[in-house]
Amino acid sequence: GAVVSQHPSRVICKSGTSVKIECRSLDFQATTMFWYRQFPKQSLMLMATSNEGSKATYEQGVEKDKFLINHASLTLSTLTVTSAHPEDSSFYICSAEKGVTDEQFFGPGTRLTVL
Amino acid sequence: DAKTTQPNSMESNEEEPVHLPCNHSTISGTDYIHWYRQLPSQGPEYVIHGLTSNVNNRMASLAIAEDRKSSTLILHRATLRDAAVYYCILRDPYGGSQGNLIFGKGTKLSVKP
Repeated sequence: GAVVSQHPSRVICKSGTSVKIECRSLDFQATTMFWYRQFPKQSLMLMATSNEGSKATYEQGVEKDKFLINHASLTLSTLTVTSAHPEDSSFYICSAEKGVTDEQFFGPGTRLTVL
Repeated sequence: DAKTTQPNSMESNEEEPVHLPCNHSTISGTDYIHWYRQLPSQGPEYVIHGLTSNVNNRMASLAIAEDRKSSTLILHRATLRDAAVYYCILRDPYGGSQGNLIFGKGTKLSVKP
């Protein structure tokens, strides 16, 4: 199956700093990438949909100025959590798909802890 | 938007078959039925998906009711590594933003040795 990687896998930062998370599709070109967030003991929540070369589409309630998404190529999307606060601590997961009728391939997730 | 209903949890014995049910009574004609699973502290993993006909792959089988209002994920021989949360999700690939994967609570499968 296709592989999606995320970097870093774990990050701890101080409140007020910005954190960038990378999502790469390693062996295929992704038409669309997705960013999810998962709090402990909860299900995944879709944050935004990202298409290469265009602005991301954010879900209701997700602040686009706080969660900056850049989709620079068909194999790379980045999520930057700006001015992170403790309540942003969560498990961030990206996914990618080859086409709309195909399955999504998920990355291993990034555990963000904001002190 | 179409939603699914799954039991919160199920238990199985190792090396026995497991049938995970999913109800989706409001499914539309263009909704695909997707199954993903998530092991602790990992990203979800694709399991299988289908539209109308039953589907088989190396991981599992998907049995879809004739009226498509329910489906069952079948793990033929459960192993300890199959212990995970299983999500049944409807997805309309041509629905734009309505076609995004929306994760519910899923079914937590426990496998006993």
